Parts: sequence; structure tokens; C-alpha cells
Amino acid sequence: DGGITQSPKYLFRKEGQNVTLSCEQNLNHDAMYWYRQDPGQGLRLIYYSQIVNDFQKGDIAEGYSVSREKKESFPLTVTSAQKNPTAFYLCASSIVGLAGGASYNEQFFGPGTRLTVL
Amino acid sequence: GESVGLHLPTLSVQEGDNSIINCAYSNSASDYFIWYKQESGKGPQFIIDIRSNMDKRQGQRVTVLLNKTVKHLSLQIAATQPGDSAVYFCAEIHTGGFKTIFGAGTRLFVKA
Repeated sequence: DGGITQSPKYLFRKEGQNVTLSCEQNLNHDAMYWYRQDPGQGLRLIYYSQIVNDFQKGDIAEGYSVSREKKESFPLTVTSAQKNPTAFYLCASSIVGLAGGASYNEQFFGPGTRLTVL
Repeated sequence: GESVGLHLPTLSVQEGDNSIINCAYSNSASDYFIWYKQESGKGPQFIIDIRSNMDKRQGQRVTVLLNKTVKHLSLQIAATQPGDSAVYFCAEIHTGGFKTIFGAGTRLFVKA
């Protein structure tokens, strides 16, 4: 079964702690993305990676960090510097990150991780 | 305009009726559009897409209409079913600029 997985489904963090959210895909997609979703708002891009060992900041990167050491994996760390981290986090992937034809930009989403700060 | 804040626009329809969900997009350079369905606590799922060289595309029970003149996209769901209850949002993509913008979404309630 090809797909994109995220773990854990629910995550609780104490203030001051760093936590890492996992995202794995076996779709052989080059590009991967992290979004944050808050109630009543559209998805906001945190970080994206178009290729292994390369990643770029999105619109709301402050307080987050990522790595892309393998094509299949794009973990997101929510650091203590992120002042309001409680949200639903979505990981996505697409065939390519640069213009390669319209359908190559279609993003496939994982099931999400709900992070709550206690 | 009204601030959506914590509240998404909501559409409530009777089971069996047709639903029309609207989306105004912002970038006139966007050339590819996708509608996603998101059920509570889950990730978004692709429903249907359309390229900017088309004004209509049909799928199974769903139709997307694109009006580039007014930068408007709509999703029509025929014979709406309780399983269609979800948040629907559009995505506009500028393939040349590698930019995807997601709308906040519309919550669809289907009454049995």
C-alpha cells in the first residue's frame, strides 16, 4: 500500500519541551511539506523540501525545524521557541516540487498529528 | 468583510439534494486548482482537479466549474449523501512559481 503516514496521531507536550513529529511516505515523491491547521483557517505552510538534503522555510517557520536526510522521511520538530504550538499538523508530499506539469504539484496528505501543549 | 475567525462558512443540505460549494481564489497566475475533502480529525483527500485551460470538469457525482474572469471556483456535489459531510476547501496552484494557496474551507452538513 502506497501512502503517507504520520505519527503519533495525538501528542502532548509540556511547555519548554521540544517534540518531533514523524512523516514518512513510500510514494517515491521528491517534495514534502509541513502545514499547520488552526480552526477556521486555511493550511499554513511551515517548511517544505523539494529534494533530499534541501528544505526551505514556509510562511510560518519560526519555532520549527526540519530535516530531510532521506527521500521517504521529513520529520518536524516543534521547539520551545514556538509560542502557540497547539494545532493540527499535516504532512504532505507531491511528485515534484518545481513546475513539472500541473498534476505533479498535487499534494497527498497524511492523516495528521494533533499537538496539545499542557 | 466578515471575519471567519473560528467559524467556517457552513452549508446545510438535505440528503439527496445537490450541493454547491464556492471558492474565490486570489492569484490570477494560478493555473491548477484542486478541491479537497477533509473529515474531522483526518487529513485532506483529493476530490477533483481542473487546469486553467478548462472551465468545467466532471467526476463521479462531482463537478468543478472554473471562472477565471472573476477568479471563482465551485464544487457541485450531486445527490448529496451523509458521507459527504466534511470540510471542503480549494487549493490554487501556480505551477510556475511553486506556490499552493489553500482556502479556509466550507463545512458541509448533510441532513438525513
